[in-house]
Amino acid sequence: QQQVKQSPQSLIVQKGGISIINCAYENTAFDYFPWYQQFPGKGPALLIAIRPDVSEKKEGRFTISFNKSAKQFSLHIMDSQPGDSATYFCAASRRPGYSSASKIIFGSGTRLSIRP
Amino acid sequence: DAGVTQSPTHLIKTRGQQVTLRCSPKSGHDTVSWYQQALGQGPQFIFQYYEEEERQRGNFPDRFSGHQYPNYSSELNVNALLLGDSALYLCASSLRYINTEAFFGQGTRLTVV
Repeated sequence: QQQVKQSPQSLIVQKGGISIINCAYENTAFDYFPWYQQFPGKGPALLIAIRPDVSEKKEGRFTISFNKSAKQFSLHIMDSQPGDSATYFCAASRRPGYSSASKIIFGSGTRLSIRP
Repeated sequence: DAGVTQSPTHLIKTRGQQVTLRCSPKSGHDTVSWYQQALGQGPQFIFQYYEEEERQRGNFPDRFSGHQYPNYSSELNVNALLLGDSALYLCASSLRYINTEAFFGQGTRLTVV
């Protein structure tokens, strides 16, 4: 059962443009929404993350927009650069309780290519 | 400060064989999670270890088992390998009660032939 749906599957953006990746989740118990960046042959690396009590978080050229009522969140990459070419995963998890572990539920990924 | 280290980086096994993958967590971390990432897919949670016990398990058969040692390092064992087990196996470490920031290793690429 896919709990985090991600789109598009692939995206091509011109250098300097804005890259936008969208995700939707189902489980309202999720309270942490990270984005991971993965280069070929590497493990995922945390890029930026947000909690549902804020609607937007910005770190440099990367911004997460969060819509709690719609259960949707998105990643915007401003001034996209060729070095941003990678696969991006949205994800969701729950804060662990005393006796329960927390797992990260990943989206299916978006392969982003930035054309010079 | 070393991050999460996994070994080996690549592995080729024959169908029906058994395999053991290893993970050393980031310094200061006490929790290890394992994920399977099939080609072109997002990582799928296998299980998580804390205090040498399996705390939560994803939708994977009993052929997948693990272990955590007192030094927090961990192993993932897969028995009776199937062709469909071919994937990148990722280890992630975190600090138990700040589980939000998980650091991933570069993974072990397992190919079953």
